[in-house]
Amino acid sequence: QTVVTQEPSLSVSPGGTVTLTCGLTSGSVSTSEYPSWYQQTPGQAPRTLIYKTNSRSSGVPDRFSGSILGNKAALTITGAQADDDSHYYCMLYLGRGTWVFGGGTKLTVL
Amino acid sequence: QVTLRETGPALVKPTQTLTLTCTFSGFSLSSSGMCVSWVRQPPGKALEWLGRIDWDDDIYYSTSLKTRLTISKDTSGNQVVLAMTNVDPADTATYYCARATLDRPYHNMDVWGKGTTVTVSS
Repeated sequence: QTVVTQEPSLSVSPGGTVTLTCGLTSGSVSTSEYPSWYQQTPGQAPRTLIYKTNSRSSGVPDRFSGSILGNKAALTITGAQADDDSHYYCMLYLGRGTWVFGGGTKLTVL
Repeated sequence: QVTLRETGPALVKPTQTLTLTCTFSGFSLSSSGMCVSWVRQPPGKALEWLGRIDWDDDIYYSTSLKTRLTISKDTSGNQVVLAMTNVDPADTATYYCARATLDRPYHNMDVWGKGTTVTVSS
Protein backbone atom coordinates (compact mmCIF):
# COMPACT_ATOMS: atom_id res chain seq x y z
CA GLN A 1 0.00 0.00 0.00
CA THR A 2 1.37 3.37 -1.05
CA VAL A 3 1.79 5.85 1.77
CA VAL A 4 2.20 9.61 1.53
CA THR A 5 5.19 10.79 3.54
CA GLN A 6 5.89 14.11 5.24
CA GLU A 7 8.47 15.28 7.76
CA PRO A 8 6.94 14.83 11.23
CA SER A 9 8.28 18.15 12.42
CA LEU A 10 10.30 21.15 11.24
CA SER A 11 11.24 24.46 12.71
CA VAL A 12 11.96 27.88 11.25
CA SER A 13 13.00 31.23 12.66
CA PRO A 14 10.71 34.21 12.22
CA GLY A 15 11.47 35.76 8.84
CA GLY A 16 13.18 32.62 7.64
CA THR A 17 12.38 30.24 4.81
CA VAL A 18 11.36 26.62 5.21
CA THR A 19 10.42 23.89 2.77
CA LEU A 20 8.07 21.06 3.65
CA THR A 21 8.02 18.01 1.39
CA CYS A 22 5.50 15.37 0.41
CA GLY A 23 6.59 12.06 -1.05
CA LEU A 24 5.43 8.55 -1.81
CA THR A 25 6.75 5.33 -0.30
CA SER A 26 6.71 3.90 -3.80
CA GLY A 27 7.35 6.14 -6.74
CA SER A 28 7.83 9.83 -7.34
CA VAL A 29 5.49 12.74 -6.98
CA SER A 30 4.86 14.81 -10.08
CA THR A 31 2.16 17.21 -11.22
CA SER A 32 0.12 14.14 -12.13
CA GLU A 33 -0.53 13.56 -8.42
CA TYR A 34 -2.03 17.10 -8.24
CA PRO A 35 -0.47 17.84 -4.84
CA SER A 36 -2.38 20.12 -2.52
CA TRP A 37 -1.43 21.60 0.85
CA TYR A 38 -3.50 22.42 3.92
CA GLN A 39 -2.80 24.35 7.10
CA GLN A 40 -4.51 23.44 10.36
CA THR A 41 -4.26 25.01 13.78
CA PRO A 42 -5.54 23.16 16.87
CA GLY A 43 -9.31 23.00 17.13
CA GLN A 44 -9.84 24.52 13.69
CA ALA A 45 -10.90 23.16 10.35
CA PRO A 46 -8.19 22.80 7.72
CA ARG A 47 -7.49 25.70 5.39
CA THR A 48 -6.50 25.03 1.82
CA LEU A 49 -3.27 26.77 0.88
CA ILE A 50 -2.20 25.26 -2.44
CA TYR A 51 -3.94 23.07 -5.01
CA LYS A 52 -2.81 21.50 -8.27
CA THR A 53 0.86 21.73 -7.29
CA ASN A 54 1.30 25.50 -7.25
CA SER A 55 -2.04 27.32 -7.38
CA ARG A 56 -2.72 29.41 -4.29
CA SER A 57 -6.19 29.25 -2.84
CA SER A 58 -8.10 32.50 -2.52
CA GLY A 59 -6.72 34.79 0.17
CA VAL A 60 -3.52 32.84 0.75
CA PRO A 61 -0.47 35.10 1.05
CA ASP A 62 2.19 34.77 -1.62
CA ARG A 63 4.78 33.78 0.97
CA PHE A 64 3.29 30.29 0.52
CA SER A 65 4.30 28.57 -2.69
CA GLY A 66 4.05 25.05 -4.05
CA SER A 67 6.36 23.18 -6.39
CA ILE A 68 7.88 19.85 -7.32
CA LEU A 69 11.40 19.41 -5.96
CA GLY A 70 13.12 16.31 -7.22
CA ASN A 71 10.71 13.44 -6.67
CA LYS A 72 8.54 15.19 -4.09
CA ALA A 73 5.99 17.93 -3.82
CA ALA A 74 7.10 20.90 -1.79
CA LEU A 75 5.53 23.74 0.15
CA THR A 76 7.86 26.67 0.74
CA ILE A 77 7.12 29.39 3.26
CA THR A 78 9.20 32.51 2.70
CA GLY A 79 9.41 35.06 5.48
CA ALA A 80 7.81 32.85 8.13
CA GLN A 81 5.54 34.55 10.64
CA ALA A 82 4.48 33.52 14.10
CA ASP A 83 1.02 32.53 12.97
CA ASP A 84 2.50 30.07 10.48
CA ASP A 85 3.13 27.86 13.52
CA SER A 86 0.69 25.08 12.56
CA HIS A 87 0.26 21.59 11.23
CA TYR A 88 0.57 21.22 7.47
CA TYR A 89 -0.84 18.37 5.42
CA CYS A 90 -0.35 17.43 1.81
CA MET A 91 -2.76 15.38 -0.25
CA LEU A 92 -2.05 13.44 -3.41
CA TYR A 93 -4.11 11.82 -6.15
CA LEU A 94 -3.36 8.10 -6.30
CA GLY A 95 -5.57 7.28 -9.26
CA ARG A 96 -9.02 5.80 -9.78
CA GLY A 97 -10.58 8.82 -8.13
CA THR A 98 -8.89 8.34 -4.78
CA TRP A 99 -6.91 10.83 -2.75
CA VAL A 100 -4.66 10.31 0.26
CA PHE A 101 -3.34 12.72 2.89
CA GLY A 102 0.13 12.59 4.31
CA GLY A 103 0.78 12.21 8.00
CA GLY A 104 1.34 15.93 8.46
CA THR A 105 4.23 18.18 9.47
CA LYS A 106 4.23 20.18 12.68
CA LEU A 107 5.94 23.45 11.89
CA THR A 108 7.30 25.44 14.80
CA VAL A 109 8.22 29.08 14.34
CA LEU A 110 10.77 30.04 16.96
CA GLN B 1 -21.07 33.32 0.67
CA VAL B 2 -20.45 29.57 0.70
CA THR B 3 -21.02 27.82 4.02
CA LEU B 4 -21.16 24.17 5.06
CA ARG B 5 -22.26 22.61 8.34
CA GLU B 6 -21.89 19.02 9.47
CA THR B 7 -24.50 17.49 11.75
CA GLY B 8 -25.01 14.09 13.27
CA PRO B 9 -24.85 12.09 16.48
CA ALA B 10 -22.05 12.84 18.90
CA LEU B 11 -22.02 9.27 20.20
CA VAL B 12 -22.51 6.03 18.32
CA LYS B 13 -22.23 2.45 19.56
CA PRO B 14 -19.85 -0.05 17.93
CA THR B 15 -21.35 -1.98 15.00
CA GLN B 16 -23.99 0.70 14.40
CA THR B 17 -24.29 2.81 11.27
CA LEU B 18 -23.14 6.41 11.51
CA THR B 19 -25.04 8.92 9.40
CA LEU B 20 -23.76 12.47 8.99
CA THR B 21 -25.34 15.30 7.03
CA CYS B 22 -23.56 18.19 5.36
CA THR B 23 -25.92 21.11 4.82
CA PHE B 24 -24.59 23.79 2.56
CA SER B 25 -25.53 27.12 1.08
CA GLY B 26 -24.07 29.56 -1.43
CA PHE B 27 -23.65 27.07 -4.24
CA SER B 28 -25.60 24.36 -6.03
CA LEU B 29 -24.42 20.78 -6.27
CA SER B 30 -26.31 20.62 -9.54
CA SER B 31 -23.95 23.14 -11.10
CA SER B 32 -21.21 21.87 -13.35
CA GLY B 33 -17.89 21.58 -11.60
CA MET B 34 -19.19 21.43 -8.05
CA CYS B 35 -18.60 18.62 -5.61
CA VAL B 36 -18.56 17.90 -1.88
CA SER B 37 -15.84 15.92 -0.14
CA TRP B 38 -15.70 14.30 3.28
CA VAL B 39 -12.56 14.27 5.41
CA ARG B 40 -12.07 13.03 8.97
CA GLN B 41 -9.46 13.42 11.67
CA PRO B 42 -9.10 11.11 14.68
CA PRO B 43 -8.00 12.89 17.84
CA GLY B 44 -4.34 13.89 17.58
CA LYS B 45 -3.94 12.24 14.20
CA ALA B 46 -3.74 13.17 10.55
CA LEU B 47 -6.48 14.09 8.13
CA GLU B 48 -8.05 11.25 6.14
CA TRP B 49 -9.89 11.73 2.85
CA LEU B 50 -13.09 9.67 2.86
CA GLY B 51 -14.80 10.37 -0.41
CA ARG B 52 -16.48 12.79 -2.76
CA ILE B 53 -19.75 13.24 -4.65
CA ASP B 54 -19.79 15.25 -7.84
CA TRP B 55 -22.40 17.43 -9.48
CA ASP B 56 -23.06 14.73 -12.10
CA ASP B 57 -23.53 11.98 -9.46
CA ASP B 58 -20.10 10.44 -9.82
CA ILE B 59 -18.98 9.21 -6.40
CA TYR B 60 -15.51 8.23 -5.22
CA TYR B 61 -14.44 6.55 -1.98
CA SER B 62 -11.29 5.96 -0.02
CA THR B 63 -9.88 2.59 -1.01
CA SER B 64 -9.59 1.47 2.59
CA LEU B 65 -13.15 2.42 3.56
CA LYS B 66 -15.14 1.95 0.38
CA THR B 67 -16.93 -1.17 1.58
CA ARG B 68 -18.34 0.75 4.57
CA LEU B 69 -19.15 4.16 3.08
CA THR B 70 -22.06 5.53 1.15
CA ILE B 71 -22.23 9.15 0.04
CA SER B 72 -25.45 10.53 -1.39
CA LYS B 73 -26.94 13.90 -2.16
CA ASP B 74 -30.25 15.60 -1.86
CA THR B 75 -29.95 18.31 -4.46
CA SER B 76 -33.22 20.02 -3.65
CA GLY B 77 -32.36 20.21 0.04
CA ASN B 78 -28.74 21.27 -0.41
CA GLN B 79 -27.51 18.35 1.62
CA VAL B 80 -24.98 15.57 1.27
CA VAL B 81 -25.16 12.51 3.48
CA LEU B 82 -22.30 10.25 4.59
CA ALA B 83 -23.20 6.83 5.94
CA MET B 84 -20.59 4.59 7.54
CA THR B 85 -21.58 1.06 8.51
CA ASN B 86 -20.26 -1.16 11.29
CA VAL B 87 -18.45 1.61 13.16
CA ASP B 88 -15.59 0.86 15.53
CA PRO B 89 -13.84 2.98 18.19
CA ALA B 90 -11.18 3.64 15.53
CA ASP B 91 -13.83 5.69 13.70
CA THR B 92 -13.88 8.21 16.53
CA ALA B 93 -12.98 11.46 14.80
CA THR B 94 -13.97 14.93 13.76
CA TYR B 95 -15.72 14.69 10.42
CA TYR B 96 -15.52 17.56 7.94
CA CYS B 97 -17.30 18.25 4.70
CA ALA B 98 -15.84 20.63 2.15
CA ARG B 99 -17.05 22.25 -1.03
CA ALA B 100 -14.73 21.59 -3.90
CA THR B 101 -14.46 22.86 -7.42
CA LEU B 102 -13.83 20.11 -9.87
CA ASP B 103 -11.61 19.79 -12.91
CA ARG B 104 -11.19 16.05 -13.13
CA PRO B 105 -9.33 14.36 -11.80
CA TYR B 106 -8.38 17.04 -9.31
CA HIS B 107 -10.65 18.97 -7.02
CA ASN B 108 -9.91 22.02 -4.92
CA MET B 109 -11.51 21.91 -1.47
CA ASP B 110 -11.85 25.63 -1.10
CA VAL B 111 -14.45 25.98 1.65
CA TRP B 112 -14.65 23.76 4.71
CA GLY B 113 -17.26 23.20 7.38
CA LYS B 114 -16.29 23.51 11.03
CA GLY B 115 -16.56 19.76 11.57
CA THR B 116 -18.57 17.54 13.86
CA THR B 117 -17.05 15.27 16.48
CA VAL B 118 -18.19 11.67 16.68
CA THR B 119 -17.25 9.23 19.41
CA VAL B 120 -17.75 5.50 18.96
CA SER B 121 -18.15 3.83 22.32
CA SER B 122 -20.42 1.37 24.04
